[in-house]
Amino acid sequence: EDQVTQSPEALRLQEGESSSLNCSYTVSGLRGLFWYRQDPGKGPEFLFTLYSAGEEKEKERLKATLTKKESFLHITAPKPEDSATYLCAVSGTASKLTFGTGTRLQVTL
Amino acid sequence: ETGVTQSPTHLIKTRGQQVTLRCSSQSGHNTVSWYQQALGQGPQFIFQYYREEENGRGNFPPRFSGLQFPNYSSELNVNALELDDSALYLCASSRSSGGETQYFGPGTRLLVL
Repeated sequence: EDQVTQSPEALRLQEGESSSLNCSYTVSGLRGLFWYRQDPGKGPEFLFTLYSAGEEKEKERLKATLTKKESFLHITAPKPEDSATYLCAVSGTASKLTFGTGTRLQVTL
Repeated sequence: ETGVTQSPTHLIKTRGQQVTLRCSSQSGHNTVSWYQQALGQGPQFIFQYYREEENGRGNFPPRFSGLQFPNYSSELNVNALELDDSALYLCASSRSSGGETQYFGPGTRLLVL
């Protein structure tokens, strides 16, 4: 069965303090690894899709990387508006997404 | 391009009642997936519809059922509501099944009393 574990559960950063979020996964036949951002009470907002080990994608202050066992979401010089829960999910041979429980990020001034 | 929409936004029901949630997929998408998200948890897969046929189901009882219409919009029906059904219900659409990026709607918050 596909599994996703995210760490840390919660992270508090000061504005400008860079860090990384981890997503470890086991999946049968990886079709894609996905990162989403979710604000309280709202639906997940798509950030990145990674398909194969070694792939990297960037968007503003965020950069996602992928290895055969884990993915990292690097946040460079975060701002308070980056505060949210970041969800990682995998798609394997089944058609579904399997999610982790997320990392709650708080960025303070 | 219109994104994924869901209705209603909020709903309060009592135990034993039935509920229908609705989802309109993004333009050009033929696949809709439904997820249940409890507070503080990641979304859990309920089922997926691809071209009006069920295409995969998670560990949810048969009282969770669904439909997809020819315009690819979808419904989630839950019978005999239980207190534990209280959650955020999310709909996601994609261009196809099998590894395509899924785009989520805003969700329906269901409270069962």
